[in-house]
Amino acid sequence: GIQVEQSPPDLILQEGANSTLRCNFSDSVNNLQWFHQNPWGQLINLFYIPSGTKQNGRLSATTVATERYSLLYISSSQTTDSGVYFCAVELRGGADGLTFGKGTHLIIQP
Amino acid sequence: DVKVTQSSRYLVKRTGEKVFLECVQDMDHENMFWYRQDPGLGLRLIYFSYDVKMKEKGDIPEGYSVSREKKERFSLILESASTNQTSMYLCASSWDWSDEQFFGPGTRLTVL
Repeated sequence: GIQVEQSPPDLILQEGANSTLRCNFSDSVNNLQWFHQNPWGQLINLFYIPSGTKQNGRLSATTVATERYSLLYISSSQTTDSGVYFCAVELRGGADGLTFGKGTHLIIQP
Repeated sequence: DVKVTQSSRYLVKRTGEKVFLECVQDMDHENMFWYRQDPGLGLRLIYFSYDVKMKEKGDIPEGYSVSREKKERFSLILESASTNQTSMYLCASSWDWSDEQFFGPGTRLTVL
């Protein structure tokens, strides 16, 4: 099956810092999503981005499908950004749900 | 806004009990999914459904079954709960294949 690798696994930053989270995947994909899992376990949709670039406030994401990676940028971090960020993909031509990476655990310190 | 709801946030059951986890979506989505999340293993797909009364096995279907009698409702069934099914269970739905998936709040199931 498709492999999804996220880096770094853990990241500790001070409030106000910028960060870049990376997601590498091993095959062509139809679907790529970024999620933030809050402390209660809810997966919050950040971006649906199988290709291209999107921005939403302090967050933006870029997927380079031909090179099989995606980046999530967080600018001017706030403590509420803390949590686990997941990248998930669906294989091109597949119809079998999302394959998740292991996540990046982000801690923003005041 | 898409809303996916799950019947319980926390559930405690005994080994051998039959357990039903319910998921309801309000956006007339065709596809629904059940995942479980475990420390160190991440999220894994258990079952999914692309239409009423249709179901497909995911990566880890053993010990589970599902039911989709109505488009908006997708149930996960543990026929005889075991301690290794203690986990966080997450339901999701999407309009079509490869469309954005929306997740419910999750159910933390403990099997004693």
